[in-house]
Amino acid sequence: AQSVAQPEDQVNVAEGNPLTVKCTYSVSGNPYLFWYVQYPNRGLQFLLKYITGDNLVKGSYGFEAEFNKSQTSFHLKKPSALVSDSALYFCAVRDKQTGANNLFFGTGTRLTVIP
Amino acid sequence: GAGVSQSPSNKVTEKGKDVELRCDPISGHTALYWYRQSLGQGLEFLIYFQGNSAPDKSGLPSDRFSAERTGGSVSTLTIQRTQQEDSAVYLCASSLGWLAGEDTQYFGPGTRLTVL
Repeated sequence: AQSVAQPEDQVNVAEGNPLTVKCTYSVSGNPYLFWYVQYPNRGLQFLLKYITGDNLVKGSYGFEAEFNKSQTSFHLKKPSALVSDSALYFCAVRDKQTGANNLFFGTGTRLTVIP
Repeated sequence: GAGVSQSPSNKVTEKGKDVELRCDPISGHTALYWYRQSLGQGLEFLIYFQGNSAPDKSGLPSDRFSAERTGGSVSTLTIQRTQQEDSAVYLCASSLGWLAGEDTQYFGPGTRLTVL
């Protein structure tokens, strides 16, 4: 079975400080991993993905994420947070092996960047 | 206007009525997905279309839910005899499809459904 856990419902960080939004996953095979961001009353916007290759993935708006197979994690990071980064962040996984076509999403983490 | 579009943006209906939600995918995308986002929940997969293949309906919560995709493009999600627990944001996404070796899903703005 595939699943994603985002252990923190809420993350607060001061503007200019580094931010981390945590994600762990469970799949039977090898994962495809994604991060999406949702601003109020908007759909999800794609940030970045891990398919294969380098464990450190760089995406939009200065975000990056590191795939850690041994810890089954894919934490989202940014070196210096902006107030405009405040939003709801979703981690998602697809199992390469199962043939399931849809993504399995975590329940989301609300990031608040404090000026 | 190259993104996924959905209509209506908001829909309020009475319990027991039928509703139709529409999705226009990105041009050239062969794969189309419907998800449901309930308050405080993550996204729940509903149904997946890939080209002319039979859809993957494994996520539909009951037989009151159905979807079709005409001409490999526009899709309609229909909920019959709506119940209050159907209240949610319904999100549509499209992608090039795994056959293209790439399957980043791009989401529309969603339809907020409220069942009174």
